[in-house]
Amino acid sequence: GQQLNQSPQSMFIQEGEDVSMNCTSSSIFNTWLWYKQEPGEGPVLLIALYKAGELTSNGRLTAQFGITRKDSFLNISASIPSDVGIYFCAGQLRDSNYQLIWGAGTKLIIKP
Amino acid sequence: DGGITQSPKYLFRKEGQNVTLSCEQNLNHDAMYWYRQDPGQGLRLIYYSQIVNDFQKGDIAEGYSVSREKKESFPLTVTSAQKNPTAFYLCASSRGQVGFEAFFGQGTRLTVV
Repeated sequence: GQQLNQSPQSMFIQEGEDVSMNCTSSSIFNTWLWYKQEPGEGPVLLIALYKAGELTSNGRLTAQFGITRKDSFLNISASIPSDVGIYFCAGQLRDSNYQLIWGAGTKLIIKP
Repeated sequence: DGGITQSPKYLFRKEGQNVTLSCEQNLNHDAMYWYRQDPGQGLRLIYYSQIVNDFQKGDIAEGYSVSREKKESFPLTVTSAQKNPTAFYLCASSRGQVGFEAFFGQGTRLTVV
């Protein structure tokens, strides 16, 4: 099936650092979604992107829909301990039904 | 408050038994989904339903069954044919054709004992 390549797989960062992660594919997407999942919980939607080139912020989070429509990135500025979790990207293909294609996740860990 | 409710939160099953996981939403969403998540892995689609009385297999449907008799409900049955059922199961819903953002329940952790 279709795949999204999400990187990095995990990140160890110091509190206060900026974080960047991305998802890429060889396919074209109509919608990009970014989610955060905490242990034992369901993913929570952070940001939704609908147009190529779109840049959207949600507090310290900023995400962009790549101009080629094949990629997206998520940045977190000035990380804090509660940012810990797994971040997933999901995309809705241009020529698809209601299904979302999911990345494998980026695990964010704050160094003590 | 609108949302998606999964129950139970934890479920233990003996080998050879069927179990049913509940998923209810009051968001008036047309589409509902079941995903499976294994430790350290992403989400894999089991089944999805775009409208009442209709559902489609996802990538890993073998050993699972669903029904969609009501818009609000999309229960998942893990049958004895599922060889490795221990996992975290997530239910989600979305508006469907007019909105692909999926909203998730809190998940059910199924353990085979």
